[in-house]
Amino acid sequence: TQLLEQSPQFLSIQEGENLTVYCNSSSVFSSLQWYRQEPGEGPVLLVTVVTGGEVKKLKRLTFQFGDARKDSSLHITAAQPGDTGLYLCAGPGNTGKLIFGQGTTLQVKP
Amino acid sequence: EPEVTQTPSHQVTQMGQEVILRCVPISNHLYFYWYRQILGQKVEFLVSFYNNEISEKSEIFDDQFSVERPDGSNFTLKIRSTKLEDSAMYFCASSEARGQGRKLFFGSGTQLSVL
Repeated sequence: TQLLEQSPQFLSIQEGENLTVYCNSSSVFSSLQWYRQEPGEGPVLLVTVVTGGEVKKLKRLTFQFGDARKDSSLHITAAQPGDTGLYLCAGPGNTGKLIFGQGTTLQVKP
Repeated sequence: EPEVTQTPSHQVTQMGQEVILRCVPISNHLYFYWYRQILGQKVEFLVSFYNNEISEKSEIFDDQFSVERPDGSNFTLKIRSTKLEDSAMYFCASSEARGQGRKLFFGSGTQLSVL
């Protein structure tokens, strides 16, 4: 069974701090995606990483795909209250369906 | 930007009743999905739909569940006889393609509460 484990599950930090969220698996994924979900809304795709070792930047967010394509990380620099939300990693399973991690709830306090 | 629309946003029903959750996917998309998220748990895949038939379903998607695309625009999820454990947020999603790195667009969800 392909599983994605995220850590930490909860993170509460002050505005301006840096943070990293991890997404790990014992399985190889052809790609991994990161979504952000706000209360009462569906997940919104932030980025897709496809190549082992790939790094993608989206303003203050840096996404990395592990060399072995079993893990990924999301690093946020100088977090702002607007970054508050649930961050989900997801990857295509062997049959094509999207498998989600359990999510990391981030709270950034002003 | 085009979006996936779901109705209703909230549905309260009695155990044993039938519910239909409705979705209008993005118009040029070909692949449609239902996912659900029980409070505090992972987003779980239910079913994928392409070319007017189910292409994959999970073990959650038992005989009580069915999907339909009745008129070329709506995509519905029916639960025939709801159980307490069906209470969850149900998300519809659609995508243009199915390959690696495909982008799924999710609706805002229907919060289903079974009493």
